[in-house]
Amino acid sequence: NAGVMQNPRHLVRRRGQEARLRCSPMKGHSHVYWYRQLPEEGLKFMVYLQKENIIDESGMPKERFSAEFPKEGPSILRIQQVVRGDSAAYFCASSPGTSGNTGELFFGEGSRLTVL
Amino acid sequence: AQSVTQLGSHVSVSEGALVLLRCNYSSSVPPYLFWYVQYPNQGLQLLLKYTSAATLVKGINDFEAEFKKSETSFHLTKPSAHMSDAAEYFCAVSEDYKLSFGAGTTVTVRA
Repeated sequence: NAGVMQNPRHLVRRRGQEARLRCSPMKGHSHVYWYRQLPEEGLKFMVYLQKENIIDESGMPKERFSAEFPKEGPSILRIQQVVRGDSAAYFCASSPGTSGNTGELFFGEGSRLTVL
Repeated sequence: AQSVTQLGSHVSVSEGALVLLRCNYSSSVPPYLFWYVQYPNQGLQLLLKYTSAATLVKGINDFEAEFKKSETSFHLTKPSAHMSDAAEYFCAVSEDYKLSFGAGTTVTVRA
């Protein structure tokens, strides 16, 4: 499967625990984006990364959330000390870079976080 | 900032009937516009995109959308609904690398 791969698909955490969501972009794609979908809402931009660089994190909450895209390995979205309001579907998308400016993104199937 | 508004959070159609999903955009520059579909518990799949070429854009599964600058609209249509079209549909506008999504329209198809 050459698509965007996200894991885990489903994650349950208790309040105060940490959640780590992983995303491997499509082969040949070097740009990764994270979006969050709250219940009954559309997707909201969180962060845009290239290898080893955070390009735009304007949509990320200032506290508890962080993202990285290391030189080797998948992109990681990390949520520390989760709260119930963090329950959502987190989608990763990728682009090869040249199409990124036209907005066409390729999405993974999402990671659904439930905080108890 | 660019944004989109989807009119109607739920649409119900009979199998074989026309599907019409409405989207209006707000943009200060010629926009790139998209329609995505999301099936239950899956990611988003691109249906079609407008990038300032032809105003009538054809996509997958017989969907098409027409860009109307005078109405700032980009409505999605399909002449004949299938049961498999039941899903959530999102209109989106691109500003550089960011996509701004509408709240979505859930389509149900009645047999």
